[in-house]
Amino acid sequence: EAAVTQSPRNKVAVTGGKVTLSCNQTNNHNNMYWYRQDTGHGLRLIHYSYGAGSTEKGDIPDGYKASRPSQENFSLILELATPSQTSVYFCASGERLGGYEQYFGPGTRLTVL
Amino acid sequence: QQQVRQSSQSLTVWEGETAILNCSYENSAFDYFPWYQQFPGEGPALLIAIRSVSDKKEDGRFTIFFNKREKNLSLHIKDSQPGDSATYFCAASAQTGGYKVVFGSGTRLLVSP
Repeated sequence: EAAVTQSPRNKVAVTGGKVTLSCNQTNNHNNMYWYRQDTGHGLRLIHYSYGAGSTEKGDIPDGYKASRPSQENFSLILELATPSQTSVYFCASGERLGGYEQYFGPGTRLTVL
Repeated sequence: QQQVRQSSQSLTVWEGETAILNCSYENSAFDYFPWYQQFPGEGPALLIAIRSVSDKKEDGRFTIFFNKREKNLSLHIKDSQPGDSATYFCAASAQTGGYKVVFGSGTRLLVSP
């Protein structure tokens, strides 16, 4: 069974603080993704990775960094959090980039005050 | 600029009716169209997908109708059940060029008993 887990599930941060969202997958998929979900916008791609050591910018990368230290782990880093980054963040993994199923984690609800 | 557009933010149907969710896209290079289903508090999960070489894909009560010339597609949910109440995302991607998956903004379906 495909498994993508995220931590924390909920996070409250202060403006200007550093936030790290973590994702772990046991699917042995090469590709991993970070999305944010906001009402009216659906899912928007922030960063993605082809494998350990690689990170690529998605459609809305500004204000975010990503790190892929291993096949299993993919982190999203907000160095200086802002209220506009309040959102629900989803991590996903997939076998191939585009055209194939992505497996999503349960999401992290981030509130930046 | 929304590359994948879902015409309805919300849709309500009675139990037993057929729910029809519409989607359109702009990029002619898109050749894979998945629909994801998301329940509150969970991540999206792949429901059904179609490739542009087909005009129809059926899986149980769920059917995708695809019109390449008009650049639109629809998800039909036959004999809708209250358990089908969820948000449905239309998405698109192109296998060539390592293109990423682009999601629509979602349609929230409510099936009333």
